[in-house]
Amino acid sequence: DTAVSQTPKYLVTQMGNDKSIKCEQNLGHDTMYWYKQDSKKFLKIMFSYNNKELIINETVPNRFSPKSPDKAHLNLHINSLELGDSAVYFCASSPGYRTEAFFGQGTRLTVV
Amino acid sequence: DQQVKQNSPSLSVQEGRISILNCDYTNSMFDYFLWYKKYPAEGPTFLISISSIKDKNEDGRFTVFLNKSAKHLSLHIVPSQPGDSAVYFCAATDSGYSTLTFGKGTMLLVSP
Repeated sequence: DTAVSQTPKYLVTQMGNDKSIKCEQNLGHDTMYWYKQDSKKFLKIMFSYNNKELIINETVPNRFSPKSPDKAHLNLHINSLELGDSAVYFCASSPGYRTEAFFGQGTRLTVV
Repeated sequence: DQQVKQNSPSLSVQEGRISILNCDYTNSMFDYFLWYKKYPAEGPTFLISISSIKDKNEDGRFTVFLNKSAKHLSLHIVPSQPGDSAVYFCAATDSGYSTLTFGKGTMLLVSP
């Protein structure tokens, strides 16, 4: 009965590959997010979706493309992976704006 | 440009004593603040929040204090327990922005 689940938990891949991370929430929330935690441990917003519509797209390379097939899912596709993409990626959801977000367990992406 | 700063990377406290975690912010538009707790290999979990119309919010052993004039907030944990050992993130948002801006985190270690 995990509230926000993301798969895979670990992902090791070579430079230049394309990969996807899946996220699903069963909380009935309208808003979903992708955050990135880099090597300096900062958690930074990447994207925010509300009811399947992109609301916020921070300065993220267009190699990163979120896809929201429905309100409960927000997947992250990454093309042409680079070494600097290595980080932990967290999916999150919230019932609306200015409320606490619920996070998934994270996906540790390592690009070699 | 760190808008939310947690200047102490780590804090060690004995069981039963008070833990005080500090957070400073620079963006005067922030008016809602949250604390998250994170265990290794897990996503952050919401702990407690405070709106700028208050200067204190309490939930069991956890109390958050907000000093708007100093742009400073703190999380007090009394009494501290070994299970509180985790990384604590301070986060903030404003009325026009749906996402959270996080600090770098403070690792709390509570020893028996």
